[in-house]
Amino acid sequence: DAGVTQSPTHLIKTRGQQVTLRCSPKSGHDTVSWYQQALGQGPQFIFQYYEEEERQRGNFPDRFSGHQFPNYSSELNVNALLLGDSALYLCASSPRTPSNQPQHFGDGTRLSIL
Amino acid sequence: GNSVTQMEGPVTLSEEAFLTINCTYTATGYPSLFWYVQYPGEGLQLLLKATKADDKGSNKGFEATYRKETTSFHLEKGSVQVSDSAVYFCALSDSPGGSNYKLTFGKGTLLTVNP
Repeated sequence: DAGVTQSPTHLIKTRGQQVTLRCSPKSGHDTVSWYQQALGQGPQFIFQYYEEEERQRGNFPDRFSGHQFPNYSSELNVNALLLGDSALYLCASSPRTPSNQPQHFGDGTRLSIL
Repeated sequence: GNSVTQMEGPVTLSEEAFLTINCTYTATGYPSLFWYVQYPGEGLQLLLKATKADDKGSNKGFEATYRKETTSFHLEKGSVQVSDSAVYFCALSDSPGGSNYKLTFGKGTLLTVNP
């Protein structure tokens, strides 16, 4: 049973570019959350998707957007990249019901901005 | 808003030593509390959780008790192993169940266990 998978593993971009990160949730999970983890810090919540809609959002600018597909997979898009966007981006999935199941994390995408 | 404060690291212990990593939180209502572990180059793995006051979460020899009166959720292990070396994150969720709401994390504590 595959867990949460993310692609690519590593990515290098330059300032001003745009990037798309992808996530496939664990089998049986329909809710996907995205987190940004800067070096030496704890993960920060970006947003959560369920039924192809953004349900909750953290304190991130509109440059960060997302999408969820009918098969529950998800994309995170970041426009106009800044040096400060360099981080590990983590995807987590969970089932909507039962609600007492924990979020499962992927291994992340390491994004470096030059 | 919600916040989590955990013990600054790094923490370095010898094998078989006792481990405590302190975690306190600020939240409205009745959050669920979690400890996640991150091994080098990997994502986060759930170590244990507690969803209501006085609950004790436990897994792989690690334990933590949800203390509402002191707003704490300290992680303990009686005898650490080299394989426990990792970064440990304390986290909370607004959801009583824990899965469908955003997680708020502490900054993490790096644990190194020497043979």
